[in-house]
Amino acid sequence: KNQVEQSPQSLIILEGKNCTLQCNYTVSPFSNLRWYKQDTGRGPVSLTIMTFSENTKSNGRYTATLDADTKQSSLHITASQLSDSASYICVVSEGYGGATNKLIFGTGTLLAVQP
Amino acid sequence: EAGVTQFPSHSVIEKGQTVTLRCDPISGHDNLYWYRRVMGKEIKFLLHFVKESKQDESGMPNNRFLAERTGGTYSTLKVQPAELEDSGVYFCASSQDQFGHSARGGEQYFGPGTRLTVT
Repeated sequence: KNQVEQSPQSLIILEGKNCTLQCNYTVSPFSNLRWYKQDTGRGPVSLTIMTFSENTKSNGRYTATLDADTKQSSLHITASQLSDSASYICVVSEGYGGATNKLIFGTGTLLAVQP
Repeated sequence: EAGVTQFPSHSVIEKGQTVTLRCDPISGHDNLYWYRRVMGKEIKFLLHFVKESKQDESGMPNNRFLAERTGGTYSTLKVQPAELEDSGVYFCASSQDQFGHSARGGEQYFGPGTRLTVT
């Protein structure tokens, strides 16, 4: 069964600190892995997209890593800000090139950044 | 450029009633997706349109759900009759390219969602 598991479920950190969120997946065939940020009451917004050949991708203070061998990914947030408070969702795209790709979502990690 | 919009933002209906959700994708996006998040669970795929055709509707839970995309522009998702377990947040997303294997191809842009509560 295709699954995406994230840890921790929730996390509280102080403003300015770093944190790392984890994602393990069992999705096959694998097309790409995405990290989304979802603010309360809003839709998910893409942070990074990585194919199997990419092992790191940065977007500002967000850095995602991918180990396609162990099927693990992480999202590292540097120098956190209050606006980083949100749910971070790991999403794996299932499918072959040229076919319709279906997104498999994790349940997300709820991050709260406190002043 | 306007993003994906959804209407209404919230809907509260009684069990047995009918509700219709609407999604307006980003202009020019042929691909439109519907997703649902039930409380405490992950977001799950419902179906995928390419223009006006249903490409994949394997995620639709049962025949009480009917999705349409007449003319290949906006889409509606009707739930009739609604049941308690249909409560959740319904997201719509659109993309230009359905092929997600490239770095940017298949990038899906999500709407803010419609929160449906069935009482």
